Amino acid sequence: TQLLEQSPQFLSIQEGENLTVYCNSSSVFSSLQWYRQEPGEGPVLLVTVVTGGEVKKLKRLTFQFGDARKDSSLHITAAQPGDTGLYLCAESMAQKLTFGTGTRLTIIP
Amino acid sequence: GAVVSQHPSWVICKSGTSVKIECRSLDFQATTMFWYRQFPKQSLMLMATSNEGSKATYEQGVEKDKFLINHASLTLSTLTVTSAHPEDSSFYICSARDGVRVEAFFGQGTRLTVV
Repeated sequence: TQLLEQSPQFLSIQEGENLTVYCNSSSVFSSLQWYRQEPGEGPVLLVTVVTGGEVKKLKRLTFQFGDARKDSSLHITAAQPGDTGLYLCAESMAQKLTFGTGTRLTIIP
Repeated sequence: GAVVSQHPSWVICKSGTSVKIECRSLDFQATTMFWYRQFPKQSLMLMATSNEGSKATYEQGVEKDKFLINHASLTLSTLTVTSAHPEDSSFYICSARDGVRVEAFFGQGTRLTVV
């Protein structure tokens, strides 16, 4: 069973700061998705990365897929209170969508 | 688009009763649907995977007789929590895939409270 470890587990920073969260696997990803979940709601898809070394940008969010496709990072520039939420990486394998342990991000105004 | 609607968004039931949660894909055909359970401040734990017209595949430790999953059409899956107990109280979330895209799209979740 593939384990998806995310770090840090919790992160609380001031508005305007930059941050990076990580997703690491015990084996190679076929593809990786990042989701954000707000309290009481379902996760919302942010991005899918497929190719090793791939970088995708979504406004202030930059997603990177490791060259070996065993890790990924999400970098947020100039964080805003609206970025607060639970960030989840997820991997699709054998029809299953398995989630990482999650990073709970709080942006302090 | 890829909209998944889950209903109800919250439900309170008495211990020993059964509760049904519906998950519908509104603008695509969901060949595969997933059901997750989420405890406070934790990630999503996969309970089962269901393909339209087939029996669901349950994850280890999930009681299939307690969590009945039906995926009778390409747009609807249901999760029935039978003989609910307070420890079944949780946030249940469904997601759906169309068999073409790798991504899954999620419902809004159902907050179940068993009293």
